[in-house]
Amino acid sequence: GENVEQHPSTLSVQEGDSAVIKCTYSDSASNYFPWYKQELGKRPQLIIDIRSNVGEKKDQRIAVTLNKTAKHFSLHITETQPEDSAVYFCAAKGNTDKLIFGTGTRLQVFP
Amino acid sequence: EAGVAQSPRYKIIEKRQSVAFWCNPISGHATLYWYQQILGQGPKLLIQFQNNGVVDDSQLPKDRFSAERLKGVDSTLKIQPAKLEDSAVYLCASSLSDGGYEQYFGPGTRLTVT
Repeated sequence: GENVEQHPSTLSVQEGDSAVIKCTYSDSASNYFPWYKQELGKRPQLIIDIRSNVGEKKDQRIAVTLNKTAKHFSLHITETQPEDSAVYFCAAKGNTDKLIFGTGTRLQVFP
Repeated sequence: EAGVAQSPRYKIIEKRQSVAFWCNPISGHATLYWYQQILGQGPKLLIQFQNNGVVDDSQLPKDRFSAERLKGVDSTLKIQPAKLEDSAVYLCASSLSDGGYEQYFGPGTRLTVT
């Protein structure tokens, strides 16, 4: 069935460093890839998304890259700040129009 | 714009009891989703509505879970009878339509089954 794998499960960085989270998907028909940030006890919130006709998208300190051939996509956060600390989820929407989420990455940014 | 509303925010019940959750999506959003998020995991889709019709309920445990969206606006999700493994956060989300539109999540209902 459809599957999204996400790595790493935890990531600790120093403030100002970059953070990279990677996801792979199984459904080659997937065409929409959002990233959600979830702070403790709060709802997931969309931070960036990319569609399959684009290879890269950037929004200030956040960027997402997509490699359709390899079926993987990555989230890049530059100049990390303590408020970036949260759990990040990738997701993929494929043929069934269902969003399949990854297992999450807990990012900790130390001041 | 007002966000997705859910109630209650917290619920504690004993196993074998029943419970219901309510969701009101963003006005004008045709698609409504119920997700189950177990601690430490990503959200898992339980059921998806397009207006008042079910689009996908393949992962809904139909022997105990039911959901409806009778008038194509708000929705209820019911569990009867509850099991210990149903302890999770139940998230409702909505989107303008299907096909890659952003899903907006509600605050969730944290269910604890004892």
